[in-house]
Amino acid sequence: AQSVTQLDSQVPVFEEAPVELRCNYSSSVSVYLFWYVQYPNQGLQLLLKYLSGSTLVKSINGFEAEFNKSQTSFHLRKPSVHISDTAEYFCAVSDIDSWGKLQFGAGTQVVVTP
Amino acid sequence: DAGVIQSPRHEVTEMGQEVTLRCKPISGHNSLFWYRQTMMRGLELLIYFNNNVPIDDSGMPEDRFSAKMPNASFSTLKIQPSEPRDSAVYFCASSFPSGGQNEQYFGPGTRLTVT
Repeated sequence: AQSVTQLDSQVPVFEEAPVELRCNYSSSVSVYLFWYVQYPNQGLQLLLKYLSGSTLVKSINGFEAEFNKSQTSFHLRKPSVHISDTAEYFCAVSDIDSWGKLQFGAGTQVVVTP
Repeated sequence: DAGVIQSPRHEVTEMGQEVTLRCKPISGHNSLFWYRQTMMRGLELLIYFNNNVPIDDSGMPEDRFSAKMPNASFSTLKIQPSEPRDSAVYFCASSFPSGGQNEQYFGPGTRLTVT
């Protein structure tokens, strides 16, 4: 069985400051890794994903995440946040042999203030 | 494409009433998922359909919950009878094709309040 741990339930950050959201997972098999973002009163949207190859993956809006197999982590970072990055961020994993079932973490609420 | 469409967006009902939530997946997607989101339990997968067939319903909390997918463009989630603890936001998501590597596209959700 898989599990996903997001250690921080809420992360306050000032505009233009860096942010890191931590995600650790456990699984007995190889996995795909995802970060989804949920803006207020909306559904989740894919931010970025790791399937294979380069362990550093990037989104179009400046976020990046690095897969670390030895530490079973997939932390999300952004060097400079905007007010519009205020949202809840969910880490998720899926077994590579599965039909696509995602196991989500509890989420991290990012609040960006001026 | 309009994305995943859910209706209604908000539903307020009294305990004991039947509630039906509706979902139209993205055209061409053959996988459909129903999720429930609450503060206490986070995001939970309720049921997964592939090519209109229920594949995994292990997340359906009890017999009061049922889901159908009569065709590739429509699915329903029904709660009968509803209880206050069913209050949550229910999301529908779709993807194509089935497989762990593929992005799930989420609808805007239905916020259900049972009084």
